[in-house]
Amino acid sequence: NAGVTQTPKFQVLKTGQSMTLQCAQDMNHNSMYWYRQDPGMGLRLIYYSASEGTTDKGEVPNGYNVSRLNKREFSLRLESAAPSQTSVYFCASSGRGDTEAFFGQGTRLTVV
Amino acid sequence: DQQVKQNSPSLSVQEGRISILNCDYTNSMFDYFLWYKKYPAEGPTFLISISSIKDKNEDGRFTVFLNKSAKHLSLHIVPSQPGDSAVYFCAASGLGGFGNEKLTFGTGTRLTIIP
Repeated sequence: NAGVTQTPKFQVLKTGQSMTLQCAQDMNHNSMYWYRQDPGMGLRLIYYSASEGTTDKGEVPNGYNVSRLNKREFSLRLESAAPSQTSVYFCASSGRGDTEAFFGQGTRLTVV
Repeated sequence: DQQVKQNSPSLSVQEGRISILNCDYTNSMFDYFLWYKKYPAEGPTFLISISSIKDKNEDGRFTVFLNKSAKHLSLHIVPSQPGDSAVYFCAASGLGGFGNEKLTFGTGTRLTIIP
């Protein structure tokens, strides 16, 4: 059972380039989330999707877009990458009635 | 505005002794609290949680205490083992727990267990 799978694991972008981070879960969860982790800042919510077809902004949505492609997949897009978006990105999911979220292994993104 | 605070960025504890990690929150609407553990190059994994209707929850070597009046929770690890060395995140949610409600995380405490 794979759980939450993120691709890629590492990425280096030049300022202004775009890319999409992919996330898929095989636990039939309704809710999916994108967080970023920065030193001294903990994990901050970028966007979340409470169910297929819905998305909402989190604490730090600027510079990002998301797509809930289907129940399994939730992608995060950087349209024009900036050095401030250098971070580790985590996707997570949870099911109805779950009291915890399950995280992927993360994507380490560097914008130069 | 940091609604969940972990004021100790790091903590070192001798193997076999008790580790106590602390967390404070400001939002009175939080009613469910979780601790996550994170190893380098891995995603956070759920450790233990507590609902606001309780003041203590125990799972093996791990116990979480909640003091609602002080808006404070703590994680006790007894006895501490080398494998416990990791970053620990406190998290909180409102309206009955996580499912469709997003988690708010603290900044983390790096625990190092000294053999």
